[in-house]
Amino acid sequence: DVKVTQSSRYLVKRTGEKVFLECVQDMDHENMFWYRQDPGLGLRLIYFSYDVKMKEKGDIPEGYSVSREKKERFSLILESASTNQTSMYLCATQTTGHYGYTFGSGTRLTVV
Amino acid sequence: QKEVEQNSGPLSVPEGAIASLNCTYSDRVSQSFFWYRQYSGKSPELIMSIYSNGDKEDGRFTAQLNKASQYVSLLIRDSQPSDSATYLCAVKGRGSTLGRLYFGRGTQLTVWP
Repeated sequence: DVKVTQSSRYLVKRTGEKVFLECVQDMDHENMFWYRQDPGLGLRLIYFSYDVKMKEKGDIPEGYSVSREKKERFSLILESASTNQTSMYLCATQTTGHYGYTFGSGTRLTVV
Repeated sequence: QKEVEQNSGPLSVPEGAIASLNCTYSDRVSQSFFWYRQYSGKSPELIMSIYSNGDKEDGRFTAQLNKASQYVSLLIRDSQPSDSATYLCAVKGRGSTLGRLYFGRGTQLTVWP
């Protein structure tokens, strides 16, 4: 089974801090995604990547950046955390073809 | 913009009943369809995928796809309290960028004993 590991389950950060969320997969999946999930708004795509050093903006990239230096690792960066970035962050991976995602366990981020 | 619509619910059924969850999508060329289950506070888990018209059964779960009507459903037979969760419908279009899935907002299901 594909394992997708997110570095923290719960995280509390202060406004203005730079925040790093890490996602590591143990399979050779090409595609990786970062979503946030908020009540009533569903899953919203922030960024995704289909290859090392490649990235594409999703629907809500403002205030975020990403890094993919190695195929197995996809990092989400909050450049200057704000309270409206308090959310559940979900990483997902996918192999090429007509396949679904495998999600990590999620990071619940609170910005105070 | 690719739309995926689900009844938000909540849907409440008694134990042992059939739960029926519905999803419509706007992109006519969509080719791959998925159902995820998400327990409260947990991440989504893939439970069914379907690619061609008709029914696909896996244990107590049946996914149904009708591409002409742009409709996909999930039936849960002999519902159990452990099935209580939010169910997310996801769609991948033929032209979808790099495998991206589009998600509905989910239907909350409660199965009462």
